Amino acid sequence: AQSVTQLGSHVSVSEGALVLLRCNYSSSVPPYLFWYVQYPNQGLQLLLKYTSAATLVKGINGFEAEFKKSETSFHLTKPSAHMSDAAEYFCAVSDGYSTLTFGKGTMLLVSP
Amino acid sequence: GAVVSQHPSRVICKSGTSVKIECRSLDFQATTMFWYRQFPKQSLMLMATSNEGSKATYEQGVEKDKFLINHASLTLSTLTVTSAHPEDSSFYICSAVLTSGGYNEQFFGPGTRLTVL
Repeated sequence: AQSVTQLGSHVSVSEGALVLLRCNYSSSVPPYLFWYVQYPNQGLQLLLKYTSAATLVKGINGFEAEFKKSETSFHLTKPSAHMSDAAEYFCAVSDGYSTLTFGKGTMLLVSP
Repeated sequence: GAVVSQHPSRVICKSGTSVKIECRSLDFQATTMFWYRQFPKQSLMLMATSNEGSKATYEQGVEKDKFLINHASLTLSTLTVTSAHPEDSSFYICSAVLTSGGYNEQFFGPGTRLTVL
């Protein structure tokens, strides 16, 4: 069985500040990990994915995430937040063969 | 590449009517597609797995007679909400699976907002 825990349903940052969204996973097999962003009334857009290659993964829009097996974590970061980053972010885990298991999501709020 | 479309993007219907939502993989073939439901400010809930040429597999608690799924081709799956009621109002998202690099990756459609009056 797989599960994902996203710490913090809401995260607030100022424009230009560091963004850190936390994700911890549980998986009985080597995981594939994903971060998605969702803007209001839109589908999911893939930000980045970990597929057992490099542990530091760079994605779109300046986001990156680091896979830490010892901590079972896959936190999402961005050095400098933009107003346009305000959205809902979902972490998800897969065994590579079947379904995705999503976290509950974290709403990122960016203030001027 | 790997684009998934949904139609319609938004639909409003009267209680008791049926609504069909289409999910298409535009530039790849997908043996498997998934249907999710998302309530406001919540995560995605998997409703069913749609496999081309066979019956859909529904998650526990999802009424198969209420949510009819047909995966008639490698690029099209449809979700029909039968005898819709206001509690069926939700955001429905599909995904299509592309096997690449040795694993299956899901690509998501833009979603369909269903409002039942």
